[in-house]
Amino acid sequence: NAGVTQTPKFRILKIGQSMTLQCTQDMNHNYMYWYRQDPGMGLKLIYYSVGAGITDKGEVPNGYNVSRSTTEDFPLRLELAAPSQTSVYFCASRGVGTGSYEQYFGPGTRLTVT
Amino acid sequence: KNEVEQSPQNLTAQEGEFITINCSYSVGISALHWLQQHPGGGIVSLFMLSSGKKKHGRLIATINIQEKHSSLHITASHPRDSAVYICAVSANTGNQFYFGTGTSLTVIP
Repeated sequence: NAGVTQTPKFRILKIGQSMTLQCTQDMNHNYMYWYRQDPGMGLKLIYYSVGAGITDKGEVPNGYNVSRSTTEDFPLRLELAAPSQTSVYFCASRGVGTGSYEQYFGPGTRLTVT
Repeated sequence: KNEVEQSPQNLTAQEGEFITINCSYSVGISALHWLQQHPGGGIVSLFMLSSGKKKHGRLIATINIQEKHSSLHITASHPRDSAVYICAVSANTGNQFYFGTGTSLTVIP
């Protein structure tokens, strides 16, 4: 199993550009999450999904969109990038059922908006 | 106010020392997690616990549900333990996780 994979690893965007951060998991997990990590701050939830076709906002959803057309993939879309979106983005997934609360994290995408 | 508070924020230790990192939380939880993040690296799960104590090698995690408090201990610390340790909780309502800001540990040879 590759676990949770994310692409790209690094990206520099100009203000106003758009991009999609890709996230794929091969563990057949129902739950998937997108977080951002800013220096000195805890991980903040952007969006999450409890299954294909179902998504919901987290704590900091403004400026982002997601879709979940398959169990495996959970892309995060940035529209009109702003410097405030400079951060490290982590995708994570977990299974369902008792004892399945452990999250598996991708390697992260470091995004700079200038 | 953050749902999860960690202390200390930064910690420097000599190799071989016993290390304790503390975590307090304010929400009802299904489980508490200790995560490790190496510089420039990803995040890995060390422990997931909902009661009592767990041990893995030189790492020990404890939780007191009544006091809403957990500790991560590292015995005989080693420079390779240098990392950021993050406490997180899975809330027992909804589907969210809440994260502490992390404890940056440096172990000096």
